[in-house]
Amino acid sequence: GAGVSQSPRYKVAKRGQDVALRCDPISGHVSLFWYQQALGQGPEFLTYFQNEAQLDKSGLPSDRFFAERPEGSVSTLKIQRTQQEDSAVYLCASSSRQAISSNQPQHFGDGTRLSIL
Amino acid sequence: AQKVTQAQTEISVVEKEDVTLDCVYETRDTTYYLFWYKQPPSGELVFLIRRNSFDEQNEISGRYSWNFQKSTSSFNFTITASQVVDSAVYFCALSSPSGSARQLTFGSGTQLTVLP
Repeated sequence: GAGVSQSPRYKVAKRGQDVALRCDPISGHVSLFWYQQALGQGPEFLTYFQNEAQLDKSGLPSDRFFAERPEGSVSTLKIQRTQQEDSAVYLCASSSRQAISSNQPQHFGDGTRLSIL
Repeated sequence: AQKVTQAQTEISVVEKEDVTLDCVYETRDTTYYLFWYKQPPSGELVFLIRRNSFDEQNEISGRYSWNFQKSTSSFNFTITASQVVDSAVYFCALSSPSGSARQLTFGSGTQLTVLP
């Protein structure tokens, strides 16, 4: 498709279960970002990939969160042993290139709304 | 550290009124980028504008205009003759080229409701 695609759109899990969220970026976009958006708040950065390399994971809240992008396109965000505080919308964004002197806008998907019961 | 403040949590206007959404930012970098995004109820963040720190010219795009004032660290967004379809949450965001990532630092958003 033309835009960033995320699946599933909604995910409900019981506390303690593992979940996997998928992001399919815009074709050719080398940069991929994951953000977490709590209700009523702005998105907060989780992690960043340039192609298959995870260059920054400083925003991941705990070691239960893990992200990968093995072939430099599709990315998966995995949350192990989910907790209620993990309930949020998880947004994926991609941008066309990383440059020192410019900053390409990030294009966002619709997000995955995760609810932990 | 970077910070974006959107002091207006919610704004309601009647259709055709003008409305200004405020954004104040903090950064120690001399080069940075500012963005506005719109988030309709569907949830997708829609890119509206990007401005770099060296370009203080105001910009107009149809009913939208942006006022960037470096002296006050503000990047305000005005919608002229608002329409019901403008109802959404609007986020201001900041990005700095320093560091390994180009992550956006978002404000907490302003919920705009345009009443018919």
